[in-house]
Amino acid sequence: DIQMTQSPSSLSASVGDRVTITCRASQSISRYLNWYQQKPGKAPKLLIAASSLQSGVPSRFSGSGFGTDFTVTISSLQPEDFATYYCQQSFSTPYTFGQGTKLEIK
Amino acid sequence: QVQLQESGPGLVKPSQTLSLTCTVSGGSISSGGYYWSWIRQHPGKGLELIGYIYYSGSTYYNPSLKSRVTISVDTSKNHFSLKLSSVTAADTAVYYCARCVNYDSSGYPFDYWGQGTLVTVSS
Repeated sequence: DIQMTQSPSSLSASVGDRVTITCRASQSISRYLNWYQQKPGKAPKLLIAASSLQSGVPSRFSGSGFGTDFTVTISSLQPEDFATYYCQQSFSTPYTFGQGTKLEIK
Repeated sequence: QVQLQESGPGLVKPSQTLSLTCTVSGGSISSGGYYWSWIRQHPGKGLELIGYIYYSGSTYYNPSLKSRVTISVDTSKNHFSLKLSSVTAADTAVYYCARCVNYDSSGYPFDYWGQGTLVTVSS
């Protein structure tokens, strides 16, 4: 299985900050990397698929990367962005997720 | 707007079979182009793909669970189901159904999810 490692595991930031979360794959996954946001008690929500922002997702979110190293950036944190973020590879089965990055209010 | 809704018992005894159904509304499973998936999340932990099914009935199971998993589809009822046999406390988790887009250009993401259902394995 392809292992996905996110860093940091947790992050404290303030409203208005620019934040970047990193995801590294244990082998090359080309462009097949997706990002999700999960709030407590809710299902994950797809934000970015293969670096493409999903419809309805604010433009302050952006994703980049290829091969083994990927990032998601929030350009100016809003109160509703405090959540846990997961990356997920869809290059090969079984599709696997990172362990999550919890973004907390400073 | 596609919606998915899980249903099934919230409590299962050890060694028994966990059974869940995911009902899809706002779209037809038979339309093709999607893998209908089951994903679970252990309490406070990350996400694990259990497996998925295409409307034709072809399936994929995560090798870590393959010996215990069966996923089936009923296109007439527009739902798909999960059976996980011989459960233990380690199978206690929130179980999600989700739609996986089966187009290379999309990157194969899980774009719609059910709200999740907690299944506890306990006697």
